[in-house]
Amino acid sequence: DGGITQSPKYLFRKEGQNVTLSCEQNLNHDAMYWYRQDPGQGLRLIYYSQIVNDFQKGDIAEGYSVSREKKESFPLTVTSAQKNPTAFYLCASSMAGDTNSPLHFGNGTRLTVT
Amino acid sequence: DAKTTQPNSMESNEEEPVHLPCNHSTISGTDYIHWYRQLPSQGPEYVIHGLTSNVNNRMASLAIAEDRKSSTLILHRATLRDAAVYYCILRGFFGNEKLTFGTGTRLTIIP
Repeated sequence: DGGITQSPKYLFRKEGQNVTLSCEQNLNHDAMYWYRQDPGQGLRLIYYSQIVNDFQKGDIAEGYSVSREKKESFPLTVTSAQKNPTAFYLCASSMAGDTNSPLHFGNGTRLTVT
Repeated sequence: DAKTTQPNSMESNEEEPVHLPCNHSTISGTDYIHWYRQLPSQGPEYVIHGLTSNVNNRMASLAIAEDRKSSTLILHRATLRDAAVYYCILRGFFGNEKLTFGTGTRLTIIP
């Protein structure tokens, strides 16, 4: 079945360490997105990519970095510069340039930094 | 970016219809209205979307105001499994893929 896979489901890190969250899709989608969700809050956009080798900052990009070397992969690195990294991270994908195309979400990675 | 506003929370009795409103007064002519819902500890799932006409699918109906500045997601007969956070977002034309979500509406179903 086609879909988006985020791994791992839970991730624990010590403060000061960089950590990379994986997001893979086999839906042949051009556009991919990373969102952050804090308890009881909505989704906030971190980065998005409309095509391979290109990406744009969302609303809360500081302390995060991404790459888009392959169409199916959009890893997110949470750097030590991110002041409050503990959160639920969601990856999504869709057809780019198609306003009719819904977003498909993964089941998220819950990151805890202590 | 065109924004949406939704009530923070709503309650409904089981097996009754639910009407979830969304305001999007700055919507542009090419923006589609998309609805998603999120169960606890899961990623959001797509519910329905539309442009101008009302839309129906197996999950819900979407009623869009004539001026398109508001829309309503209709769950015809709520079940306990419909308890979730519902998000309304606007999806614009190519080159505007910065898709932002608000805080959504938390729907509680009363047995």
